[in-house]
Amino acid sequence: AQKITQTQPGMFVQEKEAVTLDCTYDTSDQSYGLFWYKQPSSGEMIFLIYQGSYDEQNATEGRYSLNFQKARKSANLVISASQLGDSAMYFCAMTKSRYGGATNKLIFGTGTLLAVQP
Amino acid sequence: DSGVTQTPKHLITATGQRVTLRCSPRSGDLSVYWYQQSLDQGLQFLIQYYNGEERAKGNILERFSAQQFPDLHSELNLSSLELGDSALYFCASSPSGEGNTQYFGPGTRLTVL
Repeated sequence: AQKITQTQPGMFVQEKEAVTLDCTYDTSDQSYGLFWYKQPSSGEMIFLIYQGSYDEQNATEGRYSLNFQKARKSANLVISASQLGDSAMYFCAMTKSRYGGATNKLIFGTGTLLAVQP
Repeated sequence: DSGVTQTPKHLITATGQRVTLRCSPRSGDLSVYWYQQSLDQGLQFLIQYYNGEERAKGNILERFSAQQFPDLHSELNLSSLELGDSALYFCASSPSGEGNTQYFGPGTRLTVL
């Protein structure tokens, strides 16, 4: 069975500094997808970044990058130059396979609450 | 704005009642997923529909049911509501084919009193 572990319940970071949110995963599948979502206090779930298990390069989307270490089964999110608006809950998630066929249901971790301090 | 719409945004009802949550996926997306977010269970997958047919079931109670209509909107029906059903219910949609990033709607916050 697939499992996502986020060991940091909460974190503080100073504005303009970089922060790394940890995520480890467990799966016996060779093909899988890893995702990060942001949930502000307003409640919506915002897609941030995706990494496929066969992607050789780490994914980047603006200030977000995913530090993918396949052998360690980790998919840490790095946020550069933190902003006050980055304060939110962050969820790491995975799917069984990126490509169709089997269901692509998301398995979520418990989340990390990030607080950006001015 | 993800392009996924959910109504209503808030719902307050009593135990034993039945409610219907509605979701419209992004234009062109064939897959719809329902998730439940609660304090004790976290984010859990409930059910997936693809082009009108049920594709997968997760931790969905027998009191809950869903369907996807020909216009691809979906409804989640919750019946015989209990206090523990109070949660944030999300709908997400994803495109067919290669990409399966799921885009979430704003959620429906259900409070059962």
